[in-house]
Amino acid sequence: QVQVVQSGAEVRKPGASVKVSCKVSGYTLTELSIHWVRRAPGKGLEYMGGFDPEDGEIIYAQKFQGRVTMTKDTTTDTAYMELRTLKSDDTAVYYCATDPLRGYPDYWGQGTLVTVSS
Amino acid sequence: SYELTQPPSVSVSPGQTARITCSGDELPKKYAYWYQQKSGQAPVLVIYEDTKRPTGVPERFSGSSSGTMATLTISGAQVDDEADYYCYSIDNSGLHRGVFGGGTKVTVL
Repeated sequence: QVQVVQSGAEVRKPGASVKVSCKVSGYTLTELSIHWVRRAPGKGLEYMGGFDPEDGEIIYAQKFQGRVTMTKDTTTDTAYMELRTLKSDDTAVYYCATDPLRGYPDYWGQGTLVTVSS
Repeated sequence: SYELTQPPSVSVSPGQTARITCSGDELPKKYAYWYQQKSGQAPVLVIYEDTKRPTGVPERFSGSSSGTMATLTISGAQVDDEADYYCYSIDNSGLHRGVFGGGTKVTVL
């Protein structure tokens, strides 16, 4: 059984960066990949980036290209998502989700609230 | 950019059947996936690869796909099924980016 635990809530000022972590247990990050999704207040789910099954690489949604970096540490089975140059409309709950190397989000973390406010 | 289109809302009486549609030009070539998100909770996968149900998901949830439309059906809807439902698929045009539909609020009353 896969378990996914994310880091706690964050508050940042506009222009700052935030890095959210996502710890996987039950499986390793060599057996699974990770997607990142967010949900802003009053909005739907928004895909940010994740595993492309065609070439095994991480691919970012166009909207976030150049502003987001997704990495992983296979020694600790922890994935990270860093979002830079934050704006107020980046306020959202950020989710990571595992992928059984088939190109879709499967098991989800509990979510991390990121609040961007001056 | 690639879009998946869902109706904003669907209402159903308890015990009746709810159908949620998702339309997208690449759906004939790419699978659809469905997620349930209840208020204040993380999303849960309820259908993968168009028609398959993960272990633990009730049998009243089923998926189908034909042409450019995928459908999630809840047969015998229960009050506990009230949630937002999202379809997900992959853009087949070059860079295989994931995309979610806008979401459908299902009300059971």
